[in-house]
Amino acid sequence: DIQMTQSPSSLSASVGDRVTITCRASQSIGNYLNWYQQKPGKAPKLLIYAASSLQSGVPSRFSGTGSGTDFTLTISSLQAEDFATYYCQQGYSTPLTFGGGTTVEIK
Amino acid sequence: QVQLQESGPGLVKPSETLSLICTVSGASISSYYWTWIRQPAGTGLEWIGHIYNSGSTNYNPSLRSRVTMSLDTSKNHFSLKLTSVTAADTALYYCARYHLTSNVLHMDVWGKGSTVTVSS
Repeated sequence: DIQMTQSPSSLSASVGDRVTITCRASQSIGNYLNWYQQKPGKAPKLLIYAASSLQSGVPSRFSGTGSGTDFTLTISSLQAEDFATYYCQQGYSTPLTFGGGTTVEIK
Repeated sequence: QVQLQESGPGLVKPSETLSLICTVSGASISSYYWTWIRQPAGTGLEWIGHIYNSGSTNYNPSLRSRVTMSLDTSKNHFSLKLTSVTAADTALYYCARYHLTSNVLHMDVWGKGSTVTVSS
């Protein structure tokens, strides 16, 4: 199985901050990497697919980069509604696997 | 727009079978792939498996011996069965559309989730 490791597991930030979350795969996965946002009590929501493609309707302050084993999700200017848990997911091979999540909290 | 809704018993006894249905509106299940994900309370996401519009399936090896997924095109829903459940199967179960864009499959539409507790 491909292991997905996210860092940090949590972070505290203020509105307006630039936030970067990292996801590392245990082997090369090309660009088969998706990012999801999950708010408490809600289902995950797709933000980024294919490592860098913004899902329709997602604000442009979200961006994704990377290929191979190292990926990042960046929020250019954190908004109040962005406080949530973020997960990466590899779609390169089954079993599909998710990172452990990064919780973005209010400082 | 496409919407998914999970339904099924919220309580299942140990050793029995968990059964969930995901009803799809706004899209034909014959046109897409579909997946099940679960999330134990306070923890991360686990892929259970997916079912293609042909009816063929791909299951997580950790659950393969206990999982069955199927499509019902007449009702536009797909289902999950998990046999011989234990407390470890207690989780929030999500269904999602597994969609191909830019040659990458991703889960672009999710149901709200169905909580299943395994307890006697």
